[in-house]
Amino acid sequence: AQTVTQSQPEMSVQEAETVTLSCTYDTSESNYYLFWYKQPPSRQMILVIRQEAYKQQNATENRFSVNFQKAAKSFSLKISDSQLGDTAMYFCAFILSGGGADGLTFGKGTHLIIQP
Amino acid sequence: GAGVSQSPRYKVAKRGQDVALRCDPISGHVSLFWYQQALGQGPEFLTYFQNEAQLDKSGLPSDRFFAERPEGSVSTLKIQRTQQEDSAVYLCASSAGGAITEAFFGQGTRLTVV
Repeated sequence: AQTVTQSQPEMSVQEAETVTLSCTYDTSESNYYLFWYKQPPSRQMILVIRQEAYKQQNATENRFSVNFQKAAKSFSLKISDSQLGDTAMYFCAFILSGGGADGLTFGKGTHLIIQP
Repeated sequence: GAGVSQSPRYKVAKRGQDVALRCDPISGHVSLFWYQQALGQGPEFLTYFQNEAQLDKSGLPSDRFFAERPEGSVSTLKIQRTQQEDSAVYLCASSAGGAITEAFFGQGTRLTVV
């Protein structure tokens, strides 16, 4: 079974700073997808960024970027120029490609607080 | 619709009561997923539909949990004889493809069993 570990239960930074959220995962497979989801107090999960394991280039979406280290099974999220609206729970998630699982496996989440 | 809609937003049930949670996915989305999110935890996969076919129900915690999507659109998650450990947020998500494509989540139903 695949596992996803987020070792930072909570992080707090000042507005405009850069913050990095950690995620590690465990799998013996080589083809999979990784995701970061944001969950604000409204509870609605929102996709932040997606990475395909076969792609060596790190995904980026505006202020959000990842550092994907396949050999180390690490998938960290970097948020640049953090904004108050970035305050939320952030979940790292994993799924095998090509069958074997139909649902995402999530970590326990990191509560990110952006201070004004 | 514009997004995934779940109802009710909140449900309080007495232990032993049956409950039904509804999910309206984004129109045209083939795939539909149910997740259970306990307090302070990440979501855990319950079940997956492709159109009206339930292809994976490996995450359902017991035979008290039942899900259906009879016409390939709206889905209902039913919990029979609710127990206190069933208290959680139940999230529904839909996607145009399978789980490797972007899943759009609803706001969930918070179930409290007293």
